[in-house]
Amino acid sequence: EVQLVESGGALIQPGGSLRLSCTASGFSLNNYVMNWVRQAPGKGLEWVSVMFSGGGTYYPDSVKGRFTISRDDSKNTLYLHMNNLRAEDTAIYYCARDHDWSYDLWGQGTLVTVSS
Amino acid sequence: QTVVTQEPSLTVSPGGTVTLTCASNTGAVTSDYHPNWFQQKPGLAPRALTYDTSKKHSWTPARFSGSLLGGKAALTLSGAQPEDEAEYYCLLFYGGIQRAFGGGTKLTVL
Repeated sequence: EVQLVESGGALIQPGGSLRLSCTASGFSLNNYVMNWVRQAPGKGLEWVSVMFSGGGTYYPDSVKGRFTISRDDSKNTLYLHMNNLRAEDTAIYYCARDHDWSYDLWGQGTLVTVSS
Repeated sequence: QTVVTQEPSLTVSPGGTVTLTCASNTGAVTSDYHPNWFQQKPGLAPRALTYDTSKKHSWTPARFSGSLLGGKAALTLSGAQPEDEAEYYCLLFYGGIQRAFGGGTKLTVL
């Protein structure tokens, strides 16, 4: 079955670090553009990062310098490394596959709560 | 900073037609922005409806269609059903690198 499964969400104190994982099955991550998207409680969707199949990465200003997207091809897993977390980073984090200009496959999401 | 704007809320009658729009503060939305539309129901992940302006996925109901309209991306729902009540988001691609979602439209079928 083709699917994405996120994990790693947790309650973390402000200033802390966390690594989220997104494991793919049914396809190879390194053949696709992959993204992280987040949704704060009761709010809309926000694009957080993208990784191209060749390894290039990009971020919006809101997370640039604090978040890093990476990939382990041997584990077919995408990661989001988050540092210096803030209360406003509290959200459900989704990974999404980008194929032919379409976010066609999404995971179920993992919840990150930043609070003391 | 890119800002993508959608109507905060819209209401449609069962069986009726409604058009949601998606505008960019950078100017007219064209096919170069490869507009996507998503449906999200409470507690669930977003579900892709249309992409690359007007293409549909195999699971997209025929009553949904994507287009460009007056310098904006548009999603038209023809023959609304009660199960279409949801939040709808658009996504635009900027230069193939940056992406931005709209703020979402809460669609009520009433």
